[in-house]
Formats: sequence, C-alpha cells, structure tokens
Amino acid sequence: DGGITQSPKYLFRKEGQNVTLSCEQNLNHDAMYWYRQDPGQGLRLIYYSQIVNDFQKGDIAEGYSVSREKKESFPLTVTSAQKNPTAFYLCASSTPGPQHFGDGTRLSIL
Amino acid sequence: GEDVEQSLFLSVREGDSSVINCTYTDSSSTYLYWYKQEPGAGLQLLTYIFSNMDMKQDQRLTVLLNKKDKHLSLRIADTQTGDSAIYFCALDNYGQNFVFGPGTRLSVLP
Repeated sequence: DGGITQSPKYLFRKEGQNVTLSCEQNLNHDAMYWYRQDPGQGLRLIYYSQIVNDFQKGDIAEGYSVSREKKESFPLTVTSAQKNPTAFYLCASSTPGPQHFGDGTRLSIL
Repeated sequence: GEDVEQSLFLSVREGDSSVINCTYTDSSSTYLYWYKQEPGAGLQLLTYIFSNMDMKQDQRLTVLLNKKDKHLSLRIADTQTGDSAIYFCALDNYGQNFVFGPGTRLSVLP
C-alpha cells in the first residue's frame, strides 16, 4: 500500500547528541514537510522541500537540519543546538493537494 | 500571512451532532481541508471542499463554507465515542501557503 513511513516510533536523545528521524514515502509526491507538535499545541512547520536537492526553512528551523537527496526520503536531524527537542514529530507529503501524514515519531530526552 | 482560528475544545453527548468551526483571513485559498488526529497518531484527511462550493456531504460529515464570512464548519452527525479526537482545518492555495488551524479537541461523553 502507498503511504508515508516514519521511524522509529519512539526515540530518546542524550545530552549533546544528534539524532535523525526517518521519513520515507512511496506516493511519488514531490513535496515533503516536517512538523513539530507539542502537547496540546497545533502543528509548527520546521522544514519543507518541493523538489529533490532543494529545501526551505519553516517557522522553527533553528536546531534542525534536513536533506532531500531522493524523492522518496526526507530525513530530519535534531541537533544538539535544539535545546528543547521533546515533542511529537510529523512528516507529510503532497503532490500538491492535501498533505498526507505519517504516524509520527515521539522524541524524548534521557 | 494567513491566520486560521478554531475553538480549542468541544464536548458533546454521544448521538448528538457536533459542529466544529474554523475562521480564516485570506480569501485566496483554493482547497479547504478537515483532518482528524487520534492520540499518538498522525493526521488523517477526513474531507475537503473546493473554494467554489458551499457544501459537501460525505456520510456523517457535512462541510459548510461561507466565503463571505470566511467561515468553514464541519458537522458530524450521530457523534460516537470513536469520533473523540483533535480536528484541524487547513487551507491551501494550489500547494502554496498550506496553513493549519490550532485544532479543536472533541470529547464525546457517553
């Protein structure tokens, strides 16, 4: 079945550590997005990419980095510069049209 | 930029109708969407309406669009406990400026 796969479902980060969240889609969508969701909050856009090898910062890009080397993949790295990384991270893709979401990765601090 | 507002909470009795409201500022949106998010999950596209439509019905869901007042609503008939979730409205302008509302948490009481 076509869809968006995020992994892992749960992730723990130690102090000073970078961690990478995976997002893979087989929908042949051009655009991909990363959002952060805090408890009781809406979605905040971190980064987005409309074509391979190109991406733009969203509203809260500081402390995060991305790459888009393949159409199917848009990994997000949470760097040690992100001082409050505990949140639920959602990846989405679109063609354009409606955005389709993965099941999310919950990141916590050890 | 686009500003999208929703009430944060709504409680209804099982079997009653639920009406979730969304207001927005930018009239250039072409598609308006409703998403559902269950606990610990990603966002699921429920339904959408094109900007030249006033109403769309899909089984228990009715979407109403008042372009003059920039008001979008989602009515859920015969609300069930499984409808308890967060509901997001979202606006899109041909893949540009995709904007989400803050979400309305619907609680269905037995």
